Amino acid sequence: GENVEQHPSTLSVQEGDSAVIKCTYSDSASNYFPWYKQELGKRPQLIIDIRSNVGEKKDQRIAVTLNKTAKHFSLHITETQPEDSAVYFCAAFRGGGSQGNLIFGKGTKLSVKP
Amino acid sequence: DGGITQSPKYLFRKEGQNVTLSCEQNLNHDAMYWYRQDPGQGLRLIYYSQIVNDFQKGDIAEGYSVSREKKESFPLTVTSAQKNPTAFYLCASSRGRTGELFFGEGSRLTVL
Repeated sequence: GENVEQHPSTLSVQEGDSAVIKCTYSDSASNYFPWYKQELGKRPQLIIDIRSNVGEKKDQRIAVTLNKTAKHFSLHITETQPEDSAVYFCAAFRGGGSQGNLIFGKGTKLSVKP
Repeated sequence: DGGITQSPKYLFRKEGQNVTLSCEQNLNHDAMYWYRQDPGQGLRLIYYSQIVNDFQKGDIAEGYSVSREKKESFPLTVTSAQKNPTAFYLCASSRGRTGELFFGEGSRLTVL
């Protein structure tokens, strides 16, 4: 079945620097890759997603890249701000007809130091 | 105000007792999900349902049960068979299988 590995598990950056979180997946049939942000004590929320027919997607300071050949995708945050501090989860949609569902990575705790 | 409501927010249970966590959504979403969140473990899928009166086991369904009698409701029962039930439980819904997941605020269960 699908397995999603996420690295690093913790990441500390200075305000204004860039942050990169990487995920790899095992099932070449996976076709949808969202990223969720969970602030302390709050629910996870979708921040960006990408589908397998696209190589890169940007939304202001965040971007996601997908390399289908290598089966990995990455989240890039530029000009980090203290409010970017949170746990970030990547996920891959595991297909299988009507039984597909999202498989999440274990999360990356990002700390942005002012 | 549209969204997902989970209750209770905190719950304490004695060993050997079953407990039911409530999840209600007014987003008119077909799909609903239950995830378990443990520190350092990410979000693990317990059960999901894509339509009323139908649900499927996720990766860690043992010791849990669900029902989907109404589109807006997807309660989760943590049975006494679940060996390590203390955790944070998140309910979610989506319009389609690859649509955005909308999460509830979660229920924290502690077994005493």
